[in-house]
Amino acid sequence: DIQMTQSPSTLSAFVGDRVTITCRASQSISSWLAWYQQKPGKAPKLLIYKASSLESGVPSRFSGSGSGTEFTLTISSLQPDDFATYYCQQYNSYPGTFGQGTKLEIK
Amino acid sequence: QLQLQESGPGLVKPSETLSLTCTVSGGSISSSSHYWGWIRQPPGKGLEWIGSIYYSGSAYYNPSLKSRVTISVDTSKNQFSLKLSSVTAADTAVYYCARVTGGVAGAFDYWGQGTLVTVSS
Repeated sequence: DIQMTQSPSTLSAFVGDRVTITCRASQSISSWLAWYQQKPGKAPKLLIYKASSLESGVPSRFSGSGSGTEFTLTISSLQPDDFATYYCQQYNSYPGTFGQGTKLEIK
Repeated sequence: QLQLQESGPGLVKPSETLSLTCTVSGGSISSSSHYWGWIRQPPGKGLEWIGSIYYSGSAYYNPSLKSRVTISVDTSKNQFSLKLSSVTAADTAVYYCARVTGGVAGAFDYWGQGTLVTVSS
């Protein structure tokens, strides 16, 4: 299986901050990477697919970049609604493994 | 708007078989562009890809669960199902069904709300 490692595991930030979450794959996955946002008690929500494509309806403050083995999710100006847990997922090959998650907390 | 809804028992005894069904509404499960998948999340932990299925019945499973998992599809009912045999407490989790886009192990763009299944005697 391809291993996905996210950093940091926890991130504290202020409303208005620019934040970046990193996801590294144990082998090249080209651009086959998705990012999800999950709030407590809710299903994950797809934010980004194919590393940098914004899912319909997702605010433009979210952006993704990277290819190969290193990827980033950036939120340009944090809003109160953005405090949640974020997961990356590779889908270059099955099983489509997820990162362990990054919890974004309000400072 | 596509909607998915999981259904099935919330409590399963150890060594028995967990069975869940996902009903798809607002769209056809026979879409040639998508697979349909199952994901689980133990309480307080991360997400695990269980498997996915195409409307033709071709299914793909996580190797870590492959010996215990069966995913099937019923196009006449617009449903797909998950069976996980010989369950233990480690299988306690919220189980989600979702639509898969971008191939058999693709991204999940529509999700059900999830259903908690507890394995306990």
